[in-house]
Parts: sequence; C-alpha cells; structure tokens
Amino acid sequence: DGGITQSPKYLFRKEGQNVTLSCEQNLNHDAMYWYRQDPGQGLRLIYYSQIVNDFQKGDIAEGYSVSREKKESFPLTVTSAQKNPTAFYLCASSIDVGTGGYNSPLHFGNGTRLTVT
Amino acid sequence: AQSVAQPEDQVNVAEGNPLTVKCTYSVSGNPYLFWYVQYPNRGLQFLLKYITGDNLVKGSYGFEAEFNKSQTSFHLKKPSALVSDSALYFCAVRVDRGSTLGRLYFGRGTQLTVWP
Repeated sequence: DGGITQSPKYLFRKEGQNVTLSCEQNLNHDAMYWYRQDPGQGLRLIYYSQIVNDFQKGDIAEGYSVSREKKESFPLTVTSAQKNPTAFYLCASSIDVGTGGYNSPLHFGNGTRLTVT
Repeated sequence: AQSVAQPEDQVNVAEGNPLTVKCTYSVSGNPYLFWYVQYPNRGLQFLLKYITGDNLVKGSYGFEAEFNKSQTSFHLKKPSALVSDSALYFCAVRVDRGSTLGRLYFGRGTQLTVWP
C-alpha cells in the first residue's frame, strides 16, 4: 500500500535536546510538507519542499530544520531554539502542481505527538 | 495574503439531520479548494476538492460541497448526518500564482459533533 509513514507516533524529550521526526513516503510524490497542529490553531506550515535538495521556509520555521536528500524522505529536526516545541506534527506529500495540477490533494501521515518537558 | 476562514469552531447536529460546515476564502489568483477530515490522533484525510465548472462537488462518505464564487465560499454539506461523522473538519485553499506555489492554506478547523 502506498502512503506516508511518520515515526515515532509519540516522542518525549527533555528541554534543550534536539529531536528528529521521520517522514517517509512511497507515493513517488515530488512535494513534501511539514505542518504543526496546536489545539484551536489549525495547521501551520513549518517547511515545504517541491524537489530533492530544495526546500522553503513556511510560516513558523524558526527553531526547526529540514533536509531533502532523497525524494522519499523529509525529516524534521526540532532544535533547542524552538521555544514551545510540544505539539502534534504532521507530514504530507503531493504531486507537484506543475505535473498534477493545482487540484492535487495533499496526502497526510498519521502524525507524531512530541512532548518536551 | 491568502487566507481561509471557518467561522464556526463547533457545529452540533442531531443524527439524521442535514449538516453544513462553513468555509470562506480570500486569495489572489484562482482558488483550488479542498476539504479534509481528522479523527483524534490521526492525520488528515482528503474528503473532496473543487473542480472547475461544478458548483456542487461530491466526495467521500456522502459529503458534498457547494462552491459560490461571488460569496467566495465552499461550504461542506451532508444531507443526513451520522454519529460517525463526528470529527474535526478543515477547509484548505491553494492558489496558482505567487512565490507560494503549491502550498495549501488551512482554516482553523471546525469540530463537528453529531449526537444520537
């Protein structure tokens, strides 16, 4: 089955530690995205990548970093500089709009819930 | 700036009654509109998308959405609600121009509760 896998489902870290969230897709999608979800705030875009070795900051990139060395993988690192990292993190992918059109939907993983104490 | 508004944080309906979850948008460019549903501790599932020329779009699980260009709205509807429809619903828009090509903008979500 094709899809997006996020791991782990739950992650606990101490304040001051960096942590990396995994996102892998086997949908052959060019574009990948990271969103952060907090109660009552909807989804906020952290980073997105439309092609391998290229990515752009979203609305709340401070304190986060990403890499896109392979088409299938888009890991997100939450650094110690992120002031309020406890949240639900969602990874998504889609066909690039240049290929599939602007009405290509995003496909989401099941998320990683990060708790930092 | 692109934005999506879901004016109701919560919608409550009785099972068997029709439901509407509202969405309005403000974009520069042509809008491409989507609805997603999220169950607790899960990712978002795609429900339906606007297709140019069809003002009433049908999607998964009996949901449909009505596009109104003059009111810049894309309301989600279902003729007869089920208890299992209770979830968090998100409206999203993508535009076809500008430096943010490809990204989706999401509303804040509407919690739908259907009681028996």
